[in-house]
Amino acid sequence: DQQVKQNSPSLSVQEGRISILNCDYTNSMFDYFLWYKKYPAEGPTFLISISSIKDKNEDGRFTVFLNKSAKHLSLHIVPSQPGDSAVYFCAASEGTGNQFYFGTGTSLTVIP
Amino acid sequence: ETGVTQTPRHLVMGMTNKKSLKCEQHLGHNAMYWYKQSAKKPLELMFVYNFKEQTENNSVPSRFSPECPNSSHLFLHLHTLQPEDSALYLCASSQIPGTVRQPQHFGDGTRLSIL
Repeated sequence: DQQVKQNSPSLSVQEGRISILNCDYTNSMFDYFLWYKKYPAEGPTFLISISSIKDKNEDGRFTVFLNKSAKHLSLHIVPSQPGDSAVYFCAASEGTGNQFYFGTGTSLTVIP
Repeated sequence: ETGVTQTPRHLVMGMTNKKSLKCEQHLGHNAMYWYKQSAKKPLELMFVYNFKEQTENNSVPSRFSPECPNSSHLFLHLHTLQPEDSALYLCASSQIPGTVRQPQHFGDGTRLSIL
């Protein structure tokens, strides 16, 4: 059973607007969450992370929000740019283990 | 070179062939991983090596055989594969989690096709 879920396989957004990508998880022991971005024919690239002691982490145009009670995290991209078009994966891990659990990804298309 | 490098990028093999995938990391990390990515599925962790010792084997069939001679190199030896093994195989590296959590860094993968 998948412990990390991304229920939207795809998302289209106009350039300059906000992109919101969502991720849900089932394991309440997860305490470290990451977002990766993947272009075709390339491996996933780390984008931003958040630990469970925070509810928000910001890095430039990218902000990750964590709602522990809802077991939900989201990635906000503002403003969206055509170069942001990629597949975005969320991932989670627990404690000191180095096993990460990944979602199936959301394909973001930013329309110029 | 920097980052995580995987070779070959593409591999086509028959079910009776033997081949190996190679991964090298230049990040000074001490943990390395093999993942399998099939269409419409999440990344599946196959193997984990910490300080070149295998610590995880997620019920991977024995036709996949990993080897980690040192903390910078990781191999995946393949033999007698099945068509359902066709997938993208990704290597990653990281520092072993401690007091500071760090992300895994991925290579660009090997696209494997089994005929």
